[in-house]
Amino acid sequence: GAVVSQHPSWVICKSGTSVKIECRSLDFQATTMFWYRQFPKQSLMLMATSNEGSKATYEQGVEKDKFLINHASLTLSTLTVTSAHPEDSSFYICSASGTRDYEQYFGPGTRLTVT
Amino acid sequence: QKEVEQDPGPLSVPEGAIVSLNCTYSNSAFQYFMWYRQYSRKGPELLMYTYSSGNKEDGRFTAQVDKSSKYISLFIRDSQPSDSATYLCAIYTGRRALTFGSGTRLQVQP
Repeated sequence: GAVVSQHPSWVICKSGTSVKIECRSLDFQATTMFWYRQFPKQSLMLMATSNEGSKATYEQGVEKDKFLINHASLTLSTLTVTSAHPEDSSFYICSASGTRDYEQYFGPGTRLTVT
Repeated sequence: QKEVEQDPGPLSVPEGAIVSLNCTYSNSAFQYFMWYRQYSRKGPELLMYTYSSGNKEDGRFTAQVDKSSKYISLFIRDSQPSDSATYLCAIYTGRRALTFGSGTRLQVQP
């Protein structure tokens, strides 16, 4: 099956600092990558969709200047949380799809804690 | 109205039971339906997807779509403690991203 990795798996940072999360598709070329956010005991909420070499498309209510997404290659997308605050603490999960948009494979997630 | 609705549970069953997990959706135009399994503090894992109506079977898992009633189901036969997880239904709405149900927490008691 398709494998997607995320790094780091867990990060703690101080309020006001920035954090970068990497998402990689290991055995396929990801035409599209997606970033989700999940609060405890809640479902996944889509934050943004990115295509390689293009600007990301953000969902309504998601601050694009705060959550910077770069999709530099067909196997790598990054999410940078800028000037993080405690309310940004959450579980961030990326997914990737190849030629079939409906077939998405998820990374293991990154737990962000902002103190 | 939400595009997809799912009973959050929790659902507790004894080992060996048949489990039925269900979702309803709002738009009859939707064609692709997915089931994901998510263990605590992990990313979702794609179990299976179905296109349009009908059944799809993979080992102990069967996915079923009833487009007339806009109802999708996942059945787990001979449930095991290792099946304890949150199960998420998802629908591909054609806007590239998936829309997820709220997830049903399943606990299989040994």
